[in-house]
Amino acid sequence: EIVMTQSPATLSVSPGERATLSCRASQSVSSNLAWYQQKPGQAPRLLIYGASTRATGIPARFSGGGSGTEFTLTISSLQSEDSAVYYCHQYNNWPPFTFGPGTKVDIK
Amino acid sequence: EVQLVQSGAEVKKPGESLKISCQGSGYSFPSYWIAWVRQMPGKGLEWMGSIYPADSDTRYSPSFQGQVTISVDKSISTAYLQWSSLKASDTAMYFCARPAYYGDYEVGWFDPWGQGTLLTVS
Repeated sequence: EIVMTQSPATLSVSPGERATLSCRASQSVSSNLAWYQQKPGQAPRLLIYGASTRATGIPARFSGGGSGTEFTLTISSLQSEDSAVYYCHQYNNWPPFTFGPGTKVDIK
Repeated sequence: EVQLVQSGAEVKKPGESLKISCQGSGYSFPSYWIAWVRQMPGKGLEWMGSIYPADSDTRYSPSFQGQVTISVDKSISTAYLQWSSLKASDTAMYFCARPAYYGDYEVGWFDPWGQGTLLTVS
């Protein structure tokens, strides 16, 4: 099973500043990695797939990068509505699909 | 519009059985896997298993094998997640999701997701 880890667990960022979230896989997942945003009481929302492709309707301030075992999600200019938990998800090798434990982004 | 609609919240007692549902619309339901994902209170996302409606091919996470049953009725575009004997530790939000395809019909990222079914066992 591929184990996904995320850091930091919590990130506190002022509006307009950049937020950088990290995700690491225990073995290579190539570029087969997605990022999701989840707000309280809502289902996860796809942000990024293929490590760097934005999903339909996702603002350009969200960008993904990396390949192999190291990945990043960057929010270039944080908005108040970006307060949420962000999960990475590998789909390179299943079963099982595996998710990271999440990074909570708070607005300062 | 591709959509997954889940059945409503449930409150059950330990030992009871339950079947929750996820109905797909706006696409060819038999041709896409459906995944089930658990989210315990205040915790992260855990993949439970997936089913391919066209032939009912089902894959389970080792963590959930034998604990739940995933099934499908493709005639009504609906997938199911069921328990035969609920425990308090089954209290969670359960999501269904549709994996996309990429490359040579490789199963990929989850989009869309259902709205979730909250299960309380007490």
